Amino acid sequence: QSVLTQPPSVSGAPGQRVTITCTGSSSNLGAGYAVHWYQQLPGTAPKLLIYGNNNRPSGVPDRFSGSKSGTSASLAITGLQAEDEADYYCQSYDYMLSGSRAFGGGTKVFVL
Amino acid sequence: QVQLVQSGAEVRKPGASVKLSCKASGYTFNNYDINWVRQAPGQGLEWMAWMNPKSGNTGNAQKLQGRVTMTRNTSISTAYLELTSLRSEDTAVYYCARGQGWLQPFEYWGQGTQVTVPS
Repeated sequence: QSVLTQPPSVSGAPGQRVTITCTGSSSNLGAGYAVHWYQQLPGTAPKLLIYGNNNRPSGVPDRFSGSKSGTSASLAITGLQAEDEADYYCQSYDYMLSGSRAFGGGTKVFVL
Repeated sequence: QVQLVQSGAEVRKPGASVKLSCKASGYTFNNYDINWVRQAPGQGLEWMAWMNPKSGNTGNAQKLQGRVTMTRNTSISTAYLELTSLRSEDTAVYYCARGQGWLQPFEYWGQGTQVTVPS
């Protein structure tokens, strides 16, 4: 079981807005540690999408945005496109874990 | 440009060991950590281990304690992950990823190495 909880799937029509939640606890997000988000297209390696809660690496469209509050974080995709159909993972630091890195279980985004 | 190039697919029998490599280029190898993350078929990402190439310091997930070893050869900018006592549950794609400290993201990833342990 992941210490960061994500919904298994979300879906939306092209052009719509979808949100993926990442729920943690007092030993990770609630302790103030940043959350990072990764996008994994089918058959490819994960790609960093959002870092430090709400920062986009160069080249990531501004349709993707992140936020964090307390023990939860969210990734929003606005103007959903067919190419956004992928798996999305949140990741943070957890001081209760050996090695300290934690991933969420992942969320599949379906574009209807 | 930063690149992490991993070794090819491996098939091992249960109980055997496997050693994977991750060759870095496009940056100073010693300045960034190397992490290993694996993904079992149809499953999510699982963080396994990290290494600071400069100091050689390592750490790993509790569930892999005693079975995983990370090493490096700084002269060729290559990190290695060895996993022993393989079992069918270790069948996965193994990724190396560059990080920097415990709080920073995994900014660059290798292409992945398929490891298959038939049951």
